[in-house]
Amino acid sequence: EDQVTQSPEALRLQEGESSSLNCSYTVSGLRGLFWYRQDPGKGPEFLFTLYSAGEEKEKERLKATLTKKESFLHITAPKPEDSATYLCAVQAAIGGNDMRFGAGTRLTVKP
Amino acid sequence: GAGVSQSPSNKVTEKGKDVELRCDPISGHTALYWYRQSLGQGLEFLIYFQGNSAPDKSGLPSDRFSAERTGGSVSTLTIQRTQQEDSAVYLCASSPTWGNTIYFGEGSWLTVV
Repeated sequence: EDQVTQSPEALRLQEGESSSLNCSYTVSGLRGLFWYRQDPGKGPEFLFTLYSAGEEKEKERLKATLTKKESFLHITAPKPEDSATYLCAVQAAIGGNDMRFGAGTRLTVKP
Repeated sequence: GAGVSQSPSNKVTEKGKDVELRCDPISGHTALYWYRQSLGQGLEFLIYFQGNSAPDKSGLPSDRFSAERTGGSVSTLTIQRTQQEDSAVYLCASSPTWGNTIYFGEGSWLTVV
C-alpha cells in the first residue's frame, strides 16, 4: 500500500535558522511527488512537483529534492511568514487515482 | 474565476440532516477530487472524477456519502443523515487531467451538532 510519512510533526525555528523537512514514501511506481503549503483555515497551496530521483526545484527560500525513497524540503533563512503546515503527497504511476498525503509538518518561525 | 470555488465556506447542521457541498473547478480541468481533512489530520481521499469516465468512489467512508459531477464541470458532495464524526473540512481540487498537479479550493467547513 502506498504510504507517505512526514517528519518532524512540528518544527520551531528562529528567523534565519535553516532546516529541512522530510517526506519518506513507498509507492508502486512514482508518477509524481508534490509539496503543498497550508495556512490555517485555507486550502493547500501548490509549491512543487518532482517526477524523478535527482530532480530539484527552487522557489524563493524553499528547495525541494527527491530520491527514490524520500524528498526533502529545505528552508533557507526562513522568515515568520514561512510559518505554515507543509504537506507532501505522492501519486502512483499505476493503481489508485488519488494523491496520497502525509500528515504534514507544522513549521513555526519565530522572529 | 481563476481558482477552485467551493460553497458554502461554512456550514453548521444538526445531526441527522442532509448536507450538500458544491465545487466549481478551474475551467478546462477534467479531473476533480474531493478530500476530507479532520482537525489536525492529514487529507483523506474521498472520490475522483475524470471526464466522462465512471468516478473512483473507493475513498467514500460509507453509503451516506455520494457525489456527482454534472456536465463535466460542477460537482456536488452529498452527506446524508450527518453524524458528528462527519465534522471536517471538505476540500475540492481539480487538475488538467490525471497525473498533473492538483489545485485546491479553500474548503467547506462542516460542523455537525
